[in-house]
Amino acid sequence: TQLLEQSPQFLSIQEGENLTVYCNSSSVFSSLQWYRQEPGEGPVLLVTVVTGGEVKKLKRLTFQFGDARKDSSLHITAAQPGDTGLYLCAGALRGAQKLVFGQGTRLTINP
Amino acid sequence: GAGVSQSPSNKVTEKGKDVELRCDPISGHTALYWYRQSLGQGLEFLIYFQGNSAPDKSGLPSDRFSAERTGGSVSTLTIQRTQQEDSAVYLCASSLAWLAGEETQYFGPGTRLLVL
Repeated sequence: TQLLEQSPQFLSIQEGENLTVYCNSSSVFSSLQWYRQEPGEGPVLLVTVVTGGEVKKLKRLTFQFGDARKDSSLHITAAQPGDTGLYLCAGALRGAQKLVFGQGTRLTINP
Repeated sequence: GAGVSQSPSNKVTEKGKDVELRCDPISGHTALYWYRQSLGQGLEFLIYFQGNSAPDKSGLPSDRFSAERTGGSVSTLTIQRTQQEDSAVYLCASSLAWLAGEETQYFGPGTRLLVL
């Protein structure tokens, strides 16, 4: 059983379209992070959200942490081919010194 | 600046052999993590070090897996009597400390292990 359910697992869209990736759990997280991973490399941190309801923006990417701190979303506006990659959400459970990762969303943006 | 490095980058071994994977964290980072990633999937937590001690070994899949860290720096992950299901990418990450997950973890490029 996956503690963090990420959806969709695969997404292929055209350049210029908008998309949203979801990360859901029944557990409460003290913080949640989003990573992006390119082939042959390790994940790179995009953002950390720590407060319920928090919204952070990184250029065309908008990240939201759910009010109850059980879920998060990543919204990309006007997707570009350079956004192609594996997007991973990861949550920190209170009292546990480790991150729990979702299965990842493999995003392909077609020119 | 120097990031997290891992060696070897690729390892092919025969079933039953032992393998040793190495991680060099960013200098000054006290926290070090090992993860396993199967074929483009999410990351599976294996073990966490704070300094040289491992307060959380809960993710190690079996007693064939062990890890150590010396001098608060380099860490090695050892897999004994490898099995085909051990084939995966093994990722190491380091951070300044563990602060309820708010610290940035910096990942190495991983070691791709293939057990034949």
